Amino acid sequence: GDSVVQTEGQVLPSEGDSLIVNCSYETTQYPSLFWYVQYPGEGPQLHLKAMKANDKGRNKGFEAMYRKETTSFHLEKDSVQESDSAVYFCAPSNQAGTALIFGKGTTLSVSS
Amino acid sequence: GAVVSQHPSRVICKSGTSVKIECRSLDFQATTMFWYRQFPKQSLMLMATSNEGSKATYEQGVEKDKFLINHASLTLSTLTVTSAHPEDSSFYICSARVEGQGRYEQYFGPGTRLTVT
Repeated sequence: GDSVVQTEGQVLPSEGDSLIVNCSYETTQYPSLFWYVQYPGEGPQLHLKAMKANDKGRNKGFEAMYRKETTSFHLEKDSVQESDSAVYFCAPSNQAGTALIFGKGTTLSVSS
Repeated sequence: GAVVSQHPSRVICKSGTSVKIECRSLDFQATTMFWYRQFPKQSLMLMATSNEGSKATYEQGVEKDKFLINHASLTLSTLTVTSAHPEDSSFYICSARVEGQGRYEQYFGPGTRLTVT
């Protein structure tokens, strides 16, 4: 079945540090790729997306490149801020648009 | 655009009672909506896919007689937790899918915190 693996647990950078959160997926069909962000007590929000190979999703300084050859969609940022602290989920979805498959989530806690 | 609401945001009920949670797409029509539950510090677990005008499709291990889903219109899906027990206490989140022009994005509601005493 379809699956996704992302950096697990907590990531604890300081403000100004660079960030990479890994995401690797395995799907039977050609997926669209999403990163969602969730703040405490809220539902996930769409953070960025890439619909096909070599597309780059961008939002608020974050980027993720759709790499079909390595089946990856790593989330990157050059300089994190304390306000970026949240839980991030990588979520592929096949082109037919069935339910998203969520990774286990990565908790980003940025210290000032 | 693409706003999804849920009601109520929090509910406390006694064991054995039923609770209904509403999920609405406010500015778009959604043929398909999804229901998830989330335990503390865990990921979202898909419970069922709700299709307007037809029966919901439940994931393996989810009791369809316990978690009743109705998708009566293109903007409303409801989840009813019947005969609730403390182990049903969780954070329930719905999402609605934007469709058309090759888009298959899902937008999530703010969630409903259910506590069964």
